[in-house]
Amino acid sequence: AQSVAQPEDQVNVAEGNPLTVKCTYSVSGNPYLFWYVQYPNRGLQFLLKYITGDNLVKGSYGFEAEFNKSQTSFHLKKPSALVSDSALYFCAVRASGYSTLTFGKGTMLLVSP
Amino acid sequence: DAGVIQSPRHEVTEMGQEVTLRCKPISGHDYLFWYRQTMMRGLELLIYFNNNVPIDDSGMPEDRFSAKMPNASFSTLKIQPSEPRDSAVYFCASGTTNYEQYFGPGTRLTVT
Repeated sequence: AQSVAQPEDQVNVAEGNPLTVKCTYSVSGNPYLFWYVQYPNRGLQFLLKYITGDNLVKGSYGFEAEFNKSQTSFHLKKPSALVSDSALYFCAVRASGYSTLTFGKGTMLLVSP
Repeated sequence: DAGVIQSPRHEVTEMGQEVTLRCKPISGHDYLFWYRQTMMRGLELLIYFNNNVPIDDSGMPEDRFSAKMPNASFSTLKIQPSEPRDSAVYFCASGTTNYEQYFGPGTRLTVT
């Protein structure tokens, strides 16, 4: 089976501060890992992915994520949050032998001015 | 490219009525996915197609739901008869692989 957990329903951060949105996964074999963002009344937008290679992945809008195999984590990070980053963030995983993505429940990020 | 196009954007219908949701994927994408999003259950994969062929429909909740993809540029998701518990946002997504997906804006369905 493949599963992903986002332990926080909501993350609050002040503008200009660093942000972290947590994600852990459970798969057999090597995972493909993804982050998507959803703005109000919109579909999900792809942010970044890890397939293989460097554990630190850089994506859109200044976001990055670090793959940690020993901790089975793929946390999303940004050095300096913007109010416009406020949105719902989804982590997703696909393992070898599976044909589709499994999404987490989502974490609401609120960045205050 | 205009991205994934879904219609209608909003649908309000009465219980028992037939509902048809439509999707036009991005040109050149071989994969098409239908998802449902609710507060209670999050994002659920209903069915996906590869080259217009349904590959996995294990997420379709019951026989009231059906999906078709008659050609590479069009897919439908039909609910007949609709029930209040079907109220959700339905997303269509397409991609060139089965894991990198581009989502449409969604159809918000309300069944009264």
